[in-house]
Amino acid sequence: GNSVTQMEGPVTLSEEAFLTINCTYTATGYPSLFWYVQYPGEGLQLLLKATKADDKGSNKGFEATYRKETTSFHLEKGSVQVSDSAVYFCALLLKGASKIIFGSGTRLSIRP
Amino acid sequence: EAGVTQFPSHSVIEKGQTVTLRCDPISGHDNLYWYRRVMGKEIKFLLHFVKESKQDESGMPNNRFLAERTGGTYSTLKVQPAELEDSGVYFCASSQDGRGNTEAFFGQGTRLTVV
Repeated sequence: GNSVTQMEGPVTLSEEAFLTINCTYTATGYPSLFWYVQYPGEGLQLLLKATKADDKGSNKGFEATYRKETTSFHLEKGSVQVSDSAVYFCALLLKGASKIIFGSGTRLSIRP
Repeated sequence: EAGVTQFPSHSVIEKGQTVTLRCDPISGHDNLYWYRRVMGKEIKFLLHFVKESKQDESGMPNNRFLAERTGGTYSTLKVQPAELEDSGVYFCASSQDGRGNTEAFFGQGTRLTVV
């Protein structure tokens, strides 16, 4: 079936460290891929997306590249800030479908 | 413009009681979705409304869950009777298009605790 697997948290880093959160997927066809973020006390927000192979999504210093050959969509940021502390969800959406398939989420905590 | 709003933000009820969650989508969004995150696991799809009609309810766990969207505006999700395993965060989302062509906007979620 269609699914998303992401690295388990929690992940704790110091401010200005490099961040990678791994995400791989299993899907029929070529889905769109997303990273959502939930900051404390807030709803889910779309962080970035990529709709086809080799596309790179980017926002707020975060990047992720749609890798068809490795079925991956790893999230990266070169220098994290305390304000990046949140739960991050990798997700996919099959073409023509309406329901998003999410991973289990990764809690990120950044120490000052 | 107001985003997707959900009420209540938190609810603690006893096993066997009834709880009703409410979602107000973004104005003009015909598509409304319910999702649930249980025990820190993945967020799972529950159902999809197009206006007042249930387009897909394949994710509803059992018949203790009843979702309605009378008039095609706000939606309610009732759990009756609640069980311990129903505890989790219930998210609502809305979008203009139901085929993934437009972004789905999510609410803050309702944290349900069944004791």
